[in-house]
Amino acid sequence: AQKVTQAQTEISVVEKEDVTLDCVYETRDTTYYLFWYKQPPSGELVFLIRRNSFDEQNEISGRYSWNFQKSTSSFNFTITASQVVDSAVYFCALRNSYGGSEKLVFGKGTKLTVNP
Amino acid sequence: KAGVTQTPRYLIKTRGQQVTLSCSPISGHRSVSWYQQTPGQGLQFLFEYFSETQRNKGNFPGRFSGRQFSNSRSEMNVSTLELGDSALYLCASSLIQSPKNIQYFGAGTRLSVL
Repeated sequence: AQKVTQAQTEISVVEKEDVTLDCVYETRDTTYYLFWYKQPPSGELVFLIRRNSFDEQNEISGRYSWNFQKSTSSFNFTITASQVVDSAVYFCALRNSYGGSEKLVFGKGTKLTVNP
Repeated sequence: KAGVTQTPRYLIKTRGQQVTLSCSPISGHRSVSWYQQTPGQGLQFLFEYFSETQRNKGNFPGRFSGRQFSNSRSEMNVSTLELGDSALYLCASSLIQSPKNIQYFGAGTRLSVL
C-alpha cells in the first residue's frame, strides 16, 4: 500500500524565516516518483519538483531546496528566507511506476502562512 | 500556452441531481486524470484516461463516471448527488501516460450540493 504523511498540519512563520515542510512516504515498490505541489488560494495545484527513487541527489532551486533520503523514506522541502507570497498549502505526493498509472497519492497537506 | 481549463468554476446542485464537469487539457496533452479534494479526505484519485480509454479508477462508487473524447478533452459525471459529493474537483493533464510524467492541474470546479 502507498501512503504519504505530512505530520505538520499548519505552520506559521514571519517573513525571512527559513521553513522546512516534512514528508514521509510508504511504498513497497522499488521504483517510484515523489512530487511537491503548491496550492494557493486560487485552488490550482502548481508543480514544484519531481524526484525518482534512484536519484537521491538533493537539489536547490533559488530559495527552494529538497532533501530526499531513502533510508528514512523522507522527502522534505525547505524554503529559505520565506516571503508572504509563499503562503499556500503544500502537498507531497507519491506515484509508483508499477502498472504505468499516473495516479498520485497525496499527503493531507501543510498550510504555510508567512506573516509580514 | 494555455493551461488546463476546467468549466464551470463553481456549481451549486441539490441532492439527487446529476452534474457534468468539463476539462480541456493543455494543447498536445493526451492523458487526463481527475481528483476529488475535500477537507476530510484530502486529495483522492478518481480516474485517468488516455486515448479515450479509462486506464485506472479510484475507490469511488459507480455514480462517478467519466469519459475522454478524441480531442483529449474529458468530462466527468456524478449522478444522484449526495451532500458528501461537495468538493473541489481537479483535473490534471500530461503529455502521454507514463509514471514519470509531471501532471499539470487546472483550477478546479467547486461543487456544492445542497
